[in-house]
Amino acid sequence: GENVEQHPSTLSVQEGDSAVIKCTYSDSASNYFPWYKQELGKRPQLIIDIRSNVGEKKDQRIAVTLNKTAKHFSLHITETQPEDSAVYFCAASKPGRRALTFGSGTRLQVQP
Amino acid sequence: AAGVIQSPRHLIKEKRETATLKCYPIPRHDTVYWYQQGPGQDPQFLISFYEKMQSDKGSIPDRFSAQQFSDYHSELNMSSLELGDSALYFCASRDRGVSAGELFFGEGSRLTVL
Repeated sequence: GENVEQHPSTLSVQEGDSAVIKCTYSDSASNYFPWYKQELGKRPQLIIDIRSNVGEKKDQRIAVTLNKTAKHFSLHITETQPEDSAVYFCAASKPGRRALTFGSGTRLQVQP
Repeated sequence: AAGVIQSPRHLIKEKRETATLKCYPIPRHDTVYWYQQGPGQDPQFLISFYEKMQSDKGSIPDRFSAQQFSDYHSELNMSSLELGDSALYFCASRDRGVSAGELFFGEGSRLTVL
């Protein structure tokens, strides 16, 4: 099955700096790559996603890039704010209503 | 807007007991997914249903079973509970007609096995 690896496991940045989280996936058939933000004890919430026919997508301070050849995708957060502090999960899924396979998560801490 | 509803939100059980979790997907969503998330872990996929039929199976133990009913709600039944089953259980649903798109998660059901 699909295997998604994510790093770093923890990331501490100063407020206003950028943060980058990277993921790799194993199954070349995967075509959907979302990023979820999860606060302690809360549900995962989608922050941005990208499909395999697109190389980059941006939404205000958040951007995602996808390299299908290398099978990796990255999350970029610019101008980080303390409220960005949370655990971020990347995920991948194949076509046909398949479940998401999650990465192991990155705990982002934005220091004021 | 309506969200995914899960019940109960918290559940405490003894070892070897049984537990049932319920999930009500967003209206018009036809696919339901169950995930298990241990402390500090990523969500692990258990099982999913599309149009009331099991569509995908993950790391669901044989002690667990699930089904989706005619009104699209789903139930996860867990028997012979073990300490290691203590976790946050999320249900998520996906919109009708969307084969690859956002999963909307419920608030989760926290199961504690003593």
